[in-house]
Amino acid sequence: DAKTTQPNSMESNEEEPVHLPCNHSTISGTDYIHWYRQLPSQGPEYVIHGLTSNVNNRMASLAIAEDRKSSTLILHRATLRDAAVYYCILRETSGSRLTFGEGTQLTVNP
Amino acid sequence: DAGITQSPRYKITETGRQVTLMCHQTWSHSYMFWYRQDLGHGLRLIYYSAAADITDKGEVPDGYVVSRSKTENFPLTLESATRSQTSVYFCAQSAGGAYNEQFFGPGTRLTVL
Repeated sequence: DAKTTQPNSMESNEEEPVHLPCNHSTISGTDYIHWYRQLPSQGPEYVIHGLTSNVNNRMASLAIAEDRKSSTLILHRATLRDAAVYYCILRETSGSRLTFGEGTQLTVNP
Repeated sequence: DAGITQSPRYKITETGRQVTLMCHQTWSHSYMFWYRQDLGHGLRLIYYSAAADITDKGEVPDGYVVSRSKTENFPLTLESATRSQTSVYFCAQSAGGAYNEQFFGPGTRLTVL
């Protein structure tokens, strides 16, 4: 599986936007970009995914660079509940597995 | 509701004992997965299953056995537990494919003394 690189940690203030970066320079043309997050003492939960175009859902937005070598997860207004570890994961078109890295620990300050 | 339950939620055992962790899904999805998460690290895939009677190894399968006789159940057995298997174990289910999300259970915290 292609590898992703994320910062170990980031901080944000409540009600401000948060941009979580992910580099995936070895991404192949058929890899989907997935984001999951893990709240304290819980299992991971799906956030969003995309292939080439930017994507929006009720939780977040995903901005994908034109060359697909990087992407950014955008939380439009961070809340305290958004404090979690965020994982950026590449998935092959034919694959069902997820390969987790270490993720980014997001701290949200009140 | 992720449609997936795990039992027990907490388990303490001793080195050398056999332990079985249970996973049950209610959505009849094809794929099921077992991950382990050591303190402060990301999840690692142990085994996964694409359908009943079809299982395959993940990144860290040594010391574990799985079976899937029914679509809804995917038990994970540690045949002879070791201290290095102390971890939190997550089960997940998915409809399969690169675009379908995985739904995770609440986890089982296993301590091997």
